[in-house]
Amino acid sequence: GDSVTQMEGPVTLSEEAFLTINCTYTATGYPSLFWYVQYPGEGLQLLLKATKADDKGSNKGFEATYRKETTSFHLEKGSVQVSDSAVYFCALSEVSSGSARQLTFGSGTQLTVLP
Amino acid sequence: NAGVTQTPKFRILKIGQSMTLQCTQDMNHNYMYWYRQDPGMGLKLIYYSVGAGITDKGEVPNGYNVSRSTTEDFPLRLELAAPSQTSVYFCASSSAGTQEQPQHFGDGTRLSIL
Repeated sequence: GDSVTQMEGPVTLSEEAFLTINCTYTATGYPSLFWYVQYPGEGLQLLLKATKADDKGSNKGFEATYRKETTSFHLEKGSVQVSDSAVYFCALSEVSSGSARQLTFGSGTQLTVLP
Repeated sequence: NAGVTQTPKFRILKIGQSMTLQCTQDMNHNYMYWYRQDPGMGLKLIYYSVGAGITDKGEVPNGYNVSRSTTEDFPLRLELAAPSQTSVYFCASSSAGTQEQPQHFGDGTRLSIL
């Protein structure tokens, strides 16, 4: 079955540092790939997405490129802020019965940014 | 904009009790989902629905039931609460069909079974 493997945390960085969170996946077909972010006490919010190979998703300074050859979707940001402290989830979706898209999540990476 | 609304936000149950977690969305989404999130883990799909009157099992359905009588509502029922069901539960919805549509999540229900 499908699976997502994420870099284990927690990750602690100083403000303005460079961020990389690794994500690799296994899938039988051609999934869409997502990064979701969860702030304390809240639900998950979509951060960015990519739907086909070589697509780059970007939002709020975060970027991730869909690499089919390495089955990866690593999250990067050039300069993190304290407000980026959250849990980040990599996820993929494929079609299941009735065309519903089921998300398969990684285990999440806790990021803490210190001032 | 309300989006996906879950109630209650917190609940403590005794073993063997039953309860219903409520979820409603105002985006006219066809697809709705229930996930559970255990500490240090990703979300696991419990049940999902592709439209009113249609539900299907996800990865971890045992001990739960759902119904979908309207497009807006997708309640999750625990009939005999067990300590293993202590978790944070998230409801989500998405529009139908195309691969690109993301899921929108509620803020979660934190449930403890003692």
